[in-house]
Amino acid sequence: VHVAESGGDIVQPGESLRLSCTVSGFVFGEYAMFWVRHTPGKGLEWVAGVSYNSGTKGYADSVKGRFTISRDTAKNSLYLQMNSLRVEDTALYYCVKGLDYSPTGALDAWGQGTTVTVSS
Amino acid sequence: QSLLTQPPSVSGTPGQTITMTCSGDTSSIGSYTVSWYQHVPGTAPKLLIFSNIQRPAGVPDRFSGSKSGTSASLAISGLQSDDEADYYCASWDHSLKQVFGGGTRLTVL
Repeated sequence: VHVAESGGDIVQPGESLRLSCTVSGFVFGEYAMFWVRHTPGKGLEWVAGVSYNSGTKGYADSVKGRFTISRDTAKNSLYLQMNSLRVEDTALYYCVKGLDYSPTGALDAWGQGTTVTVSS
Repeated sequence: QSLLTQPPSVSGTPGQTITMTCSGDTSSIGSYTVSWYQHVPGTAPKLLIFSNIQRPAGVPDRFSGSKSGTSASLAISGLQSDDEADYYCASWDHSLKQVFGGGTRLTVL
């Protein structure tokens, strides 16, 4: 199983950014997928999740209405569209494979992360 | 703020058994399963325990999980120096958002 994030950058408050995640080594369309972020001060924070068929999506209260999670099975890819970015969104963002199809399952395989810095 | 409460730190000596706790409430741990993750800063987190007590393939049986009511625990026996890491518990809330504890830093003395 391989999970690789990309798209992290340094942006100003209010700007947008799109993170991408490409996967291999498993049947992407059979598993839920997630984004989780880490900051040294707050630790791990679940950001968003999507079920295997995109039928169910969930967001942390801190990002709801600003971030959108999506997936493209044909491209074995997961995305996180981040709008209206805030300083507090600064973090290392992990793409994570779920243990199974359910969006309420454990987080099975993690990428190495991509860094998002929001600063004026 | 985390809905799950973990002690900030715990320590032990090589060979010792340590236990760390994760306290939630009826809307989180009391209603949903608990997972545990090991995170060595600078590396990808690793799933240690899922469904309260289950270990993924490849995780040594030195790691064990338990749950009772609105609390869960992770025990590590035969403590080793490379067990030194941050450990996070996780569960769900009624709106089906995953919640993490604040993490416990394990120091092997």
